[in-house]
Amino acid sequence: KQEVTQIPAALSVPEGENLVLNCSFTDSAIYNLQWFRQDPGKGLTSLLLIQSSQREQTSGRLNASLDKSSGRSTLYIAASQPGDSATYLCAVGRKLVFGQGTRLTINP
Amino acid sequence: EAQVTQNPRYLITVTGKKLTVTCSQNMNHEYMSWYRQDPGLGLRQIYYSMNVEVTDKGDVPEGYKVSRKEKRNFPLILESPSPNQTSLYFCASRGAGLNQPQHFGDGTRLSIL
Repeated sequence: KQEVTQIPAALSVPEGENLVLNCSFTDSAIYNLQWFRQDPGKGLTSLLLIQSSQREQTSGRLNASLDKSSGRSTLYIAASQPGDSATYLCAVGRKLVFGQGTRLTINP
Repeated sequence: EAQVTQNPRYLITVTGKKLTVTCSQNMNHEYMSWYRQDPGLGLRQIYYSMNVEVTDKGDVPEGYKVSRKEKRNFPLILESPSPNQTSLYFCASRGAGLNQPQHFGDGTRLSIL
């Protein structure tokens, strides 16, 4: 059974820093991996989707990487801003098995 | 605007009183699903539907029913709600392609007393 882990559970950094969020999964036979953002009282917004054949995807200040052999993905956020504060979730596969998320706070 | 719409957003009710949470999407998506989100347990899939009249159980289906009579709608039914179904519920949809991103509704917070 696929299990997804995100570490750390919470992260607080000053504005402007570059940061990395981590996601690991136990079964490397995945179709894809998605990174989502969840704001309080809101649903999830898809940030990036990496297909199993890809190594990374980029959107603006965000870059997600995928290493299936090691069961890891990272989400890199460049030049962080207070508006980036949210919970970030990774999810694996077509049926979406979720990690528990990293709660990110960017301090002005 | 492309969106997934859930109603109601908030509901407080009592044990045993049947309720339905509606979900509608305007993107002509084939695939729809329901999740619940609980502290410490994260998001877990309840049911999913590959297309009209095609549904299947997710990881935590007990106590829930779904139907998919129309492509755009995927209601979640709690026939006899119990307090352990108090949770935050999300509906999601995506297109049929292998690598289509999921679109989520804003969530429904249910409290069963």
